[in-house]
Amino acid sequence: TQLLEQSPQFLSIQEGENLTVYCNSSSVFSSLQWYRQEPGEGPVLLVTVVTGGEVKKLKRLTFQFGDARKDSSLHITAAQPGDTGLYLCAGRGNAGNMLTFGGGTRLMVKP
Amino acid sequence: KAGVTQTPRYLIKTRGQQVTLSCSPISGHRSVSWYQQTPGQGLQFLFEYFSETQRNKGNFPGRFSGRQFSNSRSEMNVSTLELGDSALYLCASSIWDGLYEQYFGPGTRLTVT
Repeated sequence: TQLLEQSPQFLSIQEGENLTVYCNSSSVFSSLQWYRQEPGEGPVLLVTVVTGGEVKKLKRLTFQFGDARKDSSLHITAAQPGDTGLYLCAGRGNAGNMLTFGGGTRLMVKP
Repeated sequence: KAGVTQTPRYLIKTRGQQVTLSCSPISGHRSVSWYQQTPGQGLQFLFEYFSETQRNKGNFPGRFSGRQFSNSRSEMNVSTLELGDSALYLCASSIWDGLYEQYFGPGTRLTVT
């Protein structure tokens, strides 16, 4: 069974601060996705990383896939209240279309 | 394009009853997956359908079943409901392109009393 551990589970910061969320596993994934979920809604896809060592930027969000494709990180620069939500990483294994989700990081950005 | 739609949005059922949830994928998406989200277990994969066939199944009891129709719409059924089945049930559709990027609906909040 492939497991993904996210840390931290909860994060409360002030507007303007930087933060990093981690997603770790002992398993290798063919790709890894990051989602953000707001209350009452389904998760929304932010990015997919496929290649080991890959770095993708989405405005103030920077995503990195580990060289060994076992871990990933999400870095947010100058967080804003609109970044508040549940951030989920999800890894796709090498066999079949199944995503394993991490437990999530609940981020609150205070104005 | 319209997003993924799920009906109903909220449902209250009694233990022992059964329930059917419906999902309409994004137009052109032929893969539909179902997930259960709870505070304790997080987001867990139930099953995936493509071209009316179940392609993958998560680790859930046989009380959980699903099907997909020729227009890619999907339903999931839970029989003999238990209190622990209370959860947000999410449907997601995707293009069969190798990346398996999921586009989620808003979910159906099921409460079992």
